[in-house]
This record gives sequence, C-alpha cells and structure tokens, in this order.
Amino acid sequence: QQQVKQSPQSLIVQKGGISIINCAYENTAFDYFPWYQQFPGKGPALLIAIRPDVSEKKEGRFTISFNKSAKQFSLHIMDSQPGDSATYFCAARMGRGGSEKLVFGKGTKLTVNP
Amino acid sequence: NAGVTQTPKFQVLKTGQSMTLQCAQDMNHNSMYWYRQDPGMGLRLIYYSASEGTTDKGEVPNGYNVSRLNKREFSLRLESAAPSQTSVYFCASTRDRLNTEAFFGQGTRLTVV
Repeated sequence: QQQVKQSPQSLIVQKGGISIINCAYENTAFDYFPWYQQFPGKGPALLIAIRPDVSEKKEGRFTISFNKSAKQFSLHIMDSQPGDSATYFCAARMGRGGSEKLVFGKGTKLTVNP
Repeated sequence: NAGVTQTPKFQVLKTGQSMTLQCAQDMNHNSMYWYRQDPGMGLRLIYYSASEGTTDKGEVPNGYNVSRLNKREFSLRLESAAPSQTSVYFCASTRDRLNTEAFFGQGTRLTVV
C-alpha cells in the first residue's frame, strides 16, 4: 500500500524556471520527510530533508515546504538547470515505536531543457 | 570510500533459476535494506536488517530470502526466479534503525526471461 502520494509523475521545465514536486501523506506518525535524487544508472542519494516541526527548509536552490495541517510537503527547485534533470523521490519515515523504515513516493522524472 | 557496493551490476536469468545478489557496506552501518525499483512504482522495500543477526520482511518479500552474513554484508536470494522479479534492485544502509540518511548502492539490473 502506497502511503506517500507523489505528483506529477513527470515534469518538463525550461532552464531558469521553477520546478515544483508535491507529496501528500495520511499517517500522522511520520516524523521525517526526506527527498532523494536519482540520476540514470545510479542509486538514489539524499538531497534535502525536513522534520514536521519546521515549515520550510532551504539548501541552495532547493527548498522543502511543509504543511503539517494539510499533510503535504513539496520540493521547489529554483533556477532549474539541465544538471538537475533526474528522478526525485519524496519519502516519509515512521517515528520511534513504529517501523522506522522509509516509505517512498513513486517518483517524479524531471527534465530541464536548456 | 566505496560506500555501498552491489554485485553483479547486470544479470539475466531464466525462469526457475536461482541467484544471490551481494551487498557490502564499509561505513560501519548497523542497518541494511533491499529495495526493488520498477517503472512508476517507486522504491519498494523487500527485506531489511535493523542490526546484525536480525532480518524482517518489508512490503514485497514474497519470492525472496535474505542473509545478514555479518555487519558489512547483506545478501538477497531468489530461489526460483520469475519474470515478475525483473527489476532494478538496490541495497541501502543507515547508521542505525533510527538514523535517517540512507546510502544506496548503484543497483543490480535483473532480467528474468
């Protein structure tokens, strides 16, 4: 059962534009929300992460926005570059006392055109 | 630093054949995981090992077995491969079961014909 819903499935953005990927969850026991970036032929790698007591986290051109009441979080990539072209996965982790495993969304394939 | 190393990188099996996917990490991590990645399905957890000597089923364990050989190594075995097991398999590790950053290997692309 997919517990983290991610959209869109694919996204095409022009260089310099803003890429936005959205995720939603139901289980309020999740306590950690990372985003992973995967390039073709490689394994996923942690990009940025947020905890639910914070509404926004920014690292360079990448920002996570978190809306606890709506149970939604999103990844914004500012000034998107062709090198950002990759598949992005949101994820959520059940907190202490739970399974403590990561549950992944289905992924968004981002293409940034030059 | 090698990180998480998986072997082989590619494999073609005939239906009914068996094989073992190998995974080793050199980061002294306690927890290790096996995922499969299929188009449009994201990453689904097959089995995990929270610590040396323990293993537990994930979301899609049927048709697979695992062995946590020691702290470094975690193998995934397909006893009788089926075409539905055609996928890309990723091994990952975390410092411990509560740690949040997972480090992934480069994957094994398995085709079952």
